[in-house]
Amino acid sequence: EVQLVESGGGLVKPGGSLRLSCAASGFTFSNVWMNWVRQAPGKGLEWVGRIKTKDVGGTKDYAAPLRGRFTISRDDSKSTVFLQMNSLQTEDTGVYYCSTDYFAGFLGSWGQGTLVTVSS
Amino acid sequence: EIVLTQSPATLSLSPGERATLSCRASQSVSSYLAWYQQKPGQAPSLLIYDASKRATGIPARFSGSGSGTDFTLTISSLEPEDFAVYYCQQRSNSLTFGGGTKVEIK
Repeated sequence: EVQLVESGGGLVKPGGSLRLSCAASGFTFSNVWMNWVRQAPGKGLEWVGRIKTKDVGGTKDYAAPLRGRFTISRDDSKSTVFLQMNSLQTEDTGVYYCSTDYFAGFLGSWGQGTLVTVSS
Repeated sequence: EIVLTQSPATLSLSPGERATLSCRASQSVSSYLAWYQQKPGQAPSLLIYDASKRATGIPARFSGSGSGTDFTLTISSLEPEDFAVYYCQQRSNSLTFGGGTKVEIK
């Protein structure tokens, strides 16, 4: 059974940084592209970005508004994907989900999410 | 960026009724469209991909149709567990989501 467990969320001041982790199990992690999606309180879903597998270069793609502040990485030896978030703003507040890629751009399995609150 | 517009924002129906949800893209996404269901306090889950293919374990009452810019998710007969928020998402050009349609009990 696929399991994705996010961690690392919490309260951070505007301008601060946070690193989220997503530990995966139940599948061959190194063979799967991974995504991050976020959801502001009471709002809809927003794709953050994804990291492809090493066999296709480990390419990273980001939603245009977030490019430059957010960085995705992966450690296949630990079956973990990371989201480094810098220069955080209040509008970055929300639940952050990791998910597996499904057919090159859909989102198959999801974690339960981790809450990030950016507030002074 | 491809913008997806979902309508209606809210659909009020009774169990057993048919639900028809719409998703319109600002430009053609071919058949590269998915639908997700999200229940309160839970992560979304994949229902339909490639516009009309049901994901593993999804009941046959859920069906998707459309191509290009106009797509529809149909729930043939609403079960109590189907009352939730539904999102469409395209993968033709980057990834974007629609704003969601809430299906609520009338």
